[in-house]
Amino acid sequence: DADVTQTPRNRITKTGKRIMLECSQTKGHDRMYWYRQDPGLGLRLIYYSFDVKDINKGEISDGYSVSRQAQAKFSLSLESAIPNQTALYFCATSELANTGELFFGEGSRLTVL
Amino acid sequence: TQLLEQSPQFLSIQEGENLTVYCNSSSVFSSLQWYRQEPGEGPVLLVTVVTGGEVKKLKRLTFQFGDARKDSSLHITAAQPGDTGLYLCAGDASNFGNEKLTFGTGTRLTIIP
Repeated sequence: DADVTQTPRNRITKTGKRIMLECSQTKGHDRMYWYRQDPGLGLRLIYYSFDVKDINKGEISDGYSVSRQAQAKFSLSLESAIPNQTALYFCATSELANTGELFFGEGSRLTVL
Repeated sequence: TQLLEQSPQFLSIQEGENLTVYCNSSSVFSSLQWYRQEPGEGPVLLVTVVTGGEVKKLKRLTFQFGDARKDSSLHITAAQPGDTGLYLCAGDASNFGNEKLTFGTGTRLTIIP
């Protein structure tokens, strides 16, 4: 089983719908992240959390919200999905901030029609 | 916002050839990581370089961190089809007050058998 698990792996939805992407990890890491990947843009940080009581905005947080339900769970919500949120979304964890390795899930491909 | 530009964006070469991928920025990073991502999976860490001028070798892959810690390169010798993937560099500026990684734009490498 994967150490970082994302659900769903694929989702097609319509404009205006609310979508939640879930992430759970068994690595015991405190730090969790949500990234968005678009062709030619690399990975861009949406939100990150350094522990259960900590939530921070990344560079592209508009239109997204997150919830850190437990050390092992970090969910990403799109309250009202729009087509330009069509992308591949990755959850990641790390143990340390400085030179800390990121461990990624397998990704959630979201298509907003 | 710190930007990491990778070049080339796409590279397709024959098996057995050598190649170099570049990661450049105008910002200084305390360390730099290289990840490889295969289709349907999340990125996986290949190496972290932390000292200006540092060179690290991983079998046929050679990673170099620039003296000024603003750039890095990845050289692959005698490329093999298994090297195919998306290569991402990621800079860590946590020593300068930014506790999150900045990812490059990516280089998609295809090795033709």
